[in-house]
Amino acid sequence: IAGITQAPTSQILAAGRRMTLRCTQDMRHNAMYWYRQDLGLGLRLIHYSNTAGTTGKGEVPDGYSVSRANTDDFPLTLASAVPSQTSVYFCASSDSVAGVDTQYFGPGTRLTVL
Amino acid sequence: AQKVTQAQTEISVVEKEDVTLDCVYETRDTTYYLFWYKQPPSGELVFLIRRNSFDEQNEISGRYSWNFQKSTSSFNFTITASQVVDSAVYFCALSETLNYNQGGKLIFGQGTELSVKP
Repeated sequence: IAGITQAPTSQILAAGRRMTLRCTQDMRHNAMYWYRQDLGLGLRLIHYSNTAGTTGKGEVPDGYSVSRANTDDFPLTLASAVPSQTSVYFCASSDSVAGVDTQYFGPGTRLTVL
Repeated sequence: AQKVTQAQTEISVVEKEDVTLDCVYETRDTTYYLFWYKQPPSGELVFLIRRNSFDEQNEISGRYSWNFQKSTSSFNFTITASQVVDSAVYFCALSETLNYNQGGKLIFGQGTELSVKP
């Protein structure tokens, strides 16, 4: 089934712990994105990748890192989680960059940092 | 700065009523794209429509219609004869045509929670 998968579905994490959220797409899309969704704020871009081997910072990148070793995978790492990183995280992909193509979203990961 | 405003935080209607969700955007770019996404209670984000800034024709898809007015920077979404299954949070989003090095970024509004009661 074509689409985007994210793992885990949800996670409770102690502050200070390291955590990697996984994202895989099988649509061979060039661009991938990580957003966080917080109540009353909509979705905000954390990091993006235009193509394998490149990444860039979004609106709220602090405390997060990403890598793009291949086309399909785009993991998001929290090096030392803090309670303000409690959120729902969405991975997305699009066929091309520069905002011209529709972004399709994964099912999301609900992360709680205590 | 680019911005999307969905002034209606929550809307409640009774089934079969028509409902319009407002979206107002700000951008300095002449080329941009507008989107609507639906987020049902299950949590996933479902793409509904994309419209580019050069196409001001209204669009209809079944019970859904969109009214794009560049003069007022609005891209409103109307559901005709609403149904309980339409209950969801709806997001309007703006994307600009950026260069390759900057990447595409969606700027989301805060969302409108629509509740359709039987």
